[in-house]
Amino acid sequence: GAVVSQHPSWVICKSGTSVKIECRSLDFQATTMFWYRQFPKQSLMLMATSNEGSKATYEQGVEKDKFLINHASLTLSTLTVTSAHPEDSSFYICSARELTGGNFEQFFGPGTRLTVL
Amino acid sequence: KQEVTQIPAALSVPEGENLVLNCSFTDSAIYNLQWFRQDPGKGLTSLLLIQSSQREQTSGRLNASLDKSSGRSTLYIAASQPGDSATYLCAGSNSGNTPLVFGKGTRLSVIA
Repeated sequence: GAVVSQHPSWVICKSGTSVKIECRSLDFQATTMFWYRQFPKQSLMLMATSNEGSKATYEQGVEKDKFLINHASLTLSTLTVTSAHPEDSSFYICSARELTGGNFEQFFGPGTRLTVL
Repeated sequence: KQEVTQIPAALSVPEGENLVLNCSFTDSAIYNLQWFRQDPGKGLTSLLLIQSSQREQTSGRLNASLDKSSGRSTLYIAASQPGDSATYLCAGSNSGNTPLVFGKGTRLSVIA
Protein backbone atom coordinates (compact mmCIF):
# COMPACT_ATOMS: atom_id res chain seq x y z
CA GLY A 1 0.00 0.00 0.00
CA ALA A 2 0.89 3.65 -0.15
CA VAL A 3 3.33 5.06 2.40
CA VAL A 4 2.85 8.06 4.65
CA SER A 5 5.69 9.39 6.74
CA GLN A 6 5.73 11.71 9.71
CA HIS A 7 8.54 13.73 11.18
CA PRO A 8 9.55 13.85 13.92
CA SER A 9 8.49 10.54 15.45
CA TRP A 10 8.72 12.07 18.90
CA VAL A 11 9.41 15.49 20.35
CA ILE A 12 9.80 16.91 23.83
CA CYS A 13 9.43 20.64 24.27
CA LYS A 14 9.01 23.26 26.95
CA SER A 15 5.68 24.83 27.66
CA GLY A 16 5.09 27.90 25.53
CA THR A 17 7.12 26.80 22.54
CA SER A 18 5.79 25.85 19.11
CA VAL A 19 6.24 22.48 17.47
CA LYS A 20 5.87 21.62 13.80
CA ILE A 21 4.98 18.12 12.63
CA GLU A 22 5.35 17.12 8.99
CA CYS A 23 3.24 14.58 7.14
CA ARG A 24 4.31 13.37 3.71
CA SER A 25 2.78 10.99 1.23
CA LEU A 26 5.85 9.32 -0.24
CA ASP A 27 4.61 7.54 -3.33
CA PHE A 28 1.27 9.11 -4.15
CA GLN A 29 -0.45 12.46 -4.35
CA ALA A 30 -2.97 13.40 -1.71
CA THR A 31 -5.38 16.27 -2.18
CA THR A 32 -6.76 15.55 1.26
CA MET A 33 -4.92 14.84 4.49
CA PHE A 34 -6.36 14.38 7.93
CA TRP A 35 -4.90 15.06 11.37
CA TYR A 36 -5.92 12.94 14.32
CA ARG A 37 -5.02 13.10 17.99
CA GLN A 38 -4.91 10.17 20.39
CA PHE A 39 -4.68 10.50 24.16
CA PRO A 40 -3.45 7.52 26.22
CA LYS A 41 -5.82 4.57 26.07
CA GLN A 42 -8.25 6.55 23.97
CA SER A 43 -9.21 6.23 20.34
CA LEU A 44 -8.24 8.50 17.47
CA MET A 45 -10.13 11.77 17.34
CA LEU A 46 -10.21 13.77 14.12
CA MET A 47 -8.80 17.25 14.56
CA ALA A 48 -8.98 18.67 11.06
CA THR A 49 -9.22 17.95 7.37
CA SER A 50 -6.55 19.52 5.23
CA ASN A 51 -7.06 20.19 1.53
CA GLU A 52 -4.19 21.15 -0.72
CA GLY A 53 -4.21 24.84 -1.48
CA SER A 54 -7.08 25.78 0.80
CA LYS A 55 -7.80 26.37 4.45
CA ALA A 56 -8.18 23.39 6.75
CA THR A 57 -11.55 22.43 8.17
CA TYR A 58 -11.40 21.97 11.93
CA GLU A 59 -13.60 19.74 14.04
CA GLN A 60 -15.69 21.28 16.75
CA GLY A 61 -13.67 22.06 19.83
CA VAL A 62 -10.30 22.21 18.05
CA GLU A 63 -8.71 25.64 18.18
CA LYS A 64 -7.59 26.63 14.70
CA ASP A 65 -5.30 29.35 16.03
CA LYS A 66 -3.51 26.86 18.22
CA PHE A 67 -3.23 24.03 15.74
CA LEU A 68 -2.07 25.58 12.49
CA ILE A 69 -2.36 23.36 9.46
CA ASN A 70 -0.72 24.02 6.12
CA HIS A 71 -1.15 21.82 3.08
CA ALA A 72 1.12 23.51 0.58
CA SER A 73 1.59 20.65 -1.86
CA LEU A 74 0.01 17.36 -2.87
CA THR A 75 2.53 15.45 -0.79
CA LEU A 76 3.05 17.57 2.33
CA SER A 77 0.90 18.80 5.17
CA THR A 78 2.20 20.34 8.38
CA LEU A 79 0.65 20.72 11.81
CA THR A 80 2.08 23.37 14.08
CA VAL A 81 1.14 23.30 17.73
CA THR A 82 1.59 26.88 18.85
CA SER A 83 2.36 27.87 22.43
CA ALA A 84 2.22 24.26 23.49
CA HIS A 85 1.09 23.36 26.99
CA PRO A 86 1.25 20.07 28.91
CA GLU A 87 -2.37 19.30 28.03
CA ASP A 88 -1.34 19.24 24.36
CA SER A 89 0.84 16.22 25.06
CA SER A 90 -0.57 13.50 22.88
CA PHE A 91 0.04 11.17 19.96
CA TYR A 92 -0.61 12.98 16.68
CA ILE A 93 -1.30 10.85 13.60
CA CYS A 94 -1.76 12.08 10.06
CA SER A 95 -3.53 10.32 7.25
CA ALA A 96 -3.57 10.83 3.50
CA ARG A 97 -6.08 9.80 0.89
CA GLU A 98 -4.98 8.95 -2.62
CA LEU A 99 -5.89 11.34 -5.41
CA THR A 100 -6.73 8.47 -7.70
CA GLY A 101 -7.86 4.96 -6.97
CA GLY A 102 -11.13 3.20 -6.66
CA ASN A 103 -11.60 2.78 -2.96
CA PHE A 104 -10.38 6.06 -1.46
CA GLU A 105 -8.43 4.27 1.21
CA GLN A 106 -6.84 6.37 3.94
CA PHE A 107 -3.20 5.63 4.66
CA PHE A 108 -1.79 6.51 8.05
CA GLY A 109 1.55 7.83 9.17
CA PRO A 110 3.42 6.24 12.10
CA GLY A 111 2.48 9.06 14.45
CA THR A 112 4.34 11.74 16.41
CA ARG A 113 4.45 11.61 20.18
CA LEU A 114 4.50 15.11 21.63
CA THR A 115 5.45 15.66 25.25
CA VAL A 116 5.20 19.18 26.61
CA LEU A 117 7.01 19.78 29.88
CA LYS B 1 -22.33 11.96 11.23
CA GLN B 2 -21.10 8.41 11.51
CA GLU B 3 -20.60 7.05 15.03
CA VAL B 4 -18.70 3.83 15.64
CA THR B 5 -18.95 1.62 18.70
CA GLN B 6 -16.84 -1.40 19.57
CA ILE B 7 -17.55 -4.13 22.07
CA PRO B 8 -16.07 -5.54 24.14
CA ALA B 9 -13.62 -2.90 25.29
CA ALA B 10 -11.22 -5.62 26.38
CA LEU B 11 -10.96 -9.33 25.77
CA SER B 12 -8.64 -11.99 27.11
CA VAL B 13 -8.52 -15.43 25.51
CA PRO B 14 -6.26 -18.49 25.67
CA GLU B 15 -3.96 -19.18 22.75
CA GLY B 16 -5.54 -21.14 19.93
CA GLU B 17 -9.06 -19.89 20.48
CA ASN B 18 -11.11 -18.42 17.65
CA LEU B 19 -12.60 -15.04 18.50
CA VAL B 20 -14.89 -12.33 17.18
CA LEU B 21 -14.59 -8.60 17.68
CA ASN B 22 -17.68 -6.50 17.13
CA CYS B 23 -18.15 -3.09 15.61
CA SER B 24 -21.39 -1.20 15.06
CA PHE B 25 -22.04 2.02 13.18
CA THR B 26 -24.99 4.37 13.14
CA ASP B 27 -25.29 5.31 9.47
CA SER B 28 -26.01 2.43 7.11
CA ALA B 29 -24.86 4.55 4.17
CA ILE B 30 -21.31 3.61 4.98
CA TYR B 31 -18.75 3.89 2.20
CA ASN B 32 -15.69 2.16 3.63
CA LEU B 33 -15.11 0.20 6.77
CA GLN B 34 -11.60 -0.56 7.90
CA TRP B 35 -10.07 -2.62 10.67
CA PHE B 36 -6.75 -1.61 12.16
CA ARG B 37 -4.34 -3.01 14.69
CA GLN B 38 -2.43 -0.79 17.08
CA ASP B 39 0.37 -2.01 19.32
CA PRO B 40 1.11 -0.01 22.50
CA GLY B 41 2.79 3.29 21.73
CA LYS B 42 2.75 2.60 17.99
CA GLY B 43 0.87 3.75 14.94
CA LEU B 44 -1.88 1.97 13.03
CA THR B 45 -1.53 -1.12 10.89
CA SER B 46 -4.32 -1.55 8.38
CA LEU B 47 -5.72 -5.08 8.47
CA LEU B 48 -8.72 -5.17 6.18
CA LEU B 49 -10.72 -2.69 4.14
CA ILE B 50 -14.30 -3.47 3.17
CA GLN B 51 -15.98 -1.31 0.59
CA SER B 52 -19.73 -0.74 0.75
CA SER B 53 -20.35 -3.12 -2.15
CA GLN B 54 -18.54 -5.95 -0.39
CA ARG B 55 -19.71 -8.26 2.38
CA GLU B 56 -16.41 -9.55 3.64
CA GLN B 57 -12.67 -9.55 3.22
CA THR B 58 -10.13 -12.14 4.25
CA SER B 59 -6.43 -12.01 4.96
CA GLY B 60 -4.73 -15.04 6.43
CA ARG B 61 -6.35 -15.84 9.78
CA LEU B 62 -8.46 -12.69 9.67
CA ASN B 63 -11.91 -12.32 8.21
CA ALA B 64 -13.98 -9.16 8.38
CA SER B 65 -17.63 -8.92 7.48
CA LEU B 66 -19.88 -5.97 6.79
CA ASP B 67 -23.66 -5.90 7.18
CA LYS B 68 -24.86 -2.45 6.28
CA SER B 69 -28.52 -3.12 7.01
CA SER B 70 -27.82 -4.01 10.62
CA GLY B 71 -25.00 -1.50 10.99
CA ARG B 72 -22.48 -4.11 12.04
CA SER B 73 -19.06 -5.39 11.19
CA THR B 74 -17.18 -8.25 12.78
CA LEU B 75 -13.52 -9.18 12.77
CA TYR B 76 -12.93 -12.89 13.12
CA ILE B 77 -9.51 -14.09 14.22
CA ALA B 78 -8.84 -17.78 13.83
CA ALA B 79 -6.43 -19.76 15.99
CA SER B 80 -5.33 -16.79 18.02
CA GLN B 81 -1.68 -16.37 18.97
CA PRO B 82 0.06 -14.30 21.65
CA GLY B 83 1.39 -12.10 18.85
CA ASP B 84 -2.19 -11.09 18.09
CA SER B 85 -2.32 -9.18 21.39
CA ALA B 86 -2.99 -5.55 20.52
CA THR B 87 -5.80 -3.02 20.30
CA TYR B 88 -8.07 -3.49 17.33
CA LEU B 89 -9.78 -0.42 15.93
CA CYS B 90 -12.76 -0.27 13.63
CA ALA B 91 -13.34 2.84 11.52
CA GLY B 92 -15.90 3.87 8.93
CA SER B 93 -16.42 6.69 6.46
CA ASN B 94 -19.58 7.81 4.70
CA SER B 95 -18.03 8.82 1.41
CA GLY B 96 -14.78 9.04 -0.51
CA ASN B 97 -14.42 12.60 0.73
CA THR B 98 -15.14 12.19 4.42
CA PRO B 99 -12.58 10.99 6.95
CA LEU B 100 -12.65 7.75 8.85
CA VAL B 101 -14.41 7.86 12.21
CA PHE B 102 -12.93 5.51 14.78
CA GLY B 103 -14.40 3.36 17.50
CA LYS B 104 -12.70 3.21 20.88
CA GLY B 105 -11.14 -0.12 20.13
CA THR B 106 -11.00 -3.58 21.66
CA ARG B 107 -7.90 -4.42 23.65
CA LEU B 108 -7.10 -8.09 22.98
CA SER B 109 -4.84 -10.23 25.11
CA VAL B 110 -4.01 -13.74 23.94
CA ILE B 111 -2.57 -15.79 26.78
CA ALA B 112 0.00 -18.48 26.02
